[in-house]
Amino acid sequence: GDSVTQMEGPVTLSEEAFLTINCTYTATGYPSLFWYVQYPGEGLQLLLKATKADDKGSNKGFEATYRKETTSFHLEKGSVQVSDSAVYFCALSDQGGGSNYKLTFGKGTLLTVNP
Amino acid sequence: DAGVIQSPRHEVTEMGQEVTLRCKPISGHDYLFWYRQTMMRGLELLIYFNNNVPIDDSGMPEDRFSAKMPNASFSTLKIQPSEPRDSAVYFCASSFSETQYFGPGTRLLVL
Repeated sequence: GDSVTQMEGPVTLSEEAFLTINCTYTATGYPSLFWYVQYPGEGLQLLLKATKADDKGSNKGFEATYRKETTSFHLEKGSVQVSDSAVYFCALSDQGGGSNYKLTFGKGTLLTVNP
Repeated sequence: DAGVIQSPRHEVTEMGQEVTLRCKPISGHDYLFWYRQTMMRGLELLIYFNNNVPIDDSGMPEDRFSAKMPNASFSTLKIQPSEPRDSAVYFCASSFSETQYFGPGTRLLVL
């Protein structure tokens, strides 16, 4: 079945440091890939997505490239801020040819950015 | 757009009591999902609906849990009887495409 593996946290960085959170996936079809972010006390919200190989999703300075050859979708940001402190979830949606918008999530990575 | 609305935001109850969590999806969305989040188990999909019909309830932990969606604008998740191990944050999400929109969650504590 489908699965998502992301690097375990917690990750602690200083402000303006470079961020990478690794994510790899296993899927039977051609999935769409997502990064969701959860700020303290809130629900998950979409950060970025990519729907096909070599697509790059980007938002708020974050980027991730859909790499089919390595089945990866690593999240990067060149300079993190304290306000980026949150839990980040990698996820996939594999419709398998049908209309099925179920998402498979990774376990989440807690990021803490210190001033 | 008000987003996905969940109520209550916090619930404290005693073991054995019935708990009902409520969700109003975004208008026009035809998929609705119920998740549970705990530190130990992370984010778990409990059940999801398409056009008010339950599609997959394999994540519902046991018969004490039930979910309904009587119309396109309302869903409930009921736990009867509740147990301390049900303590978690319960999220509702809705979608009309691959992107899901999450509500703020209901934080449930069963004493």
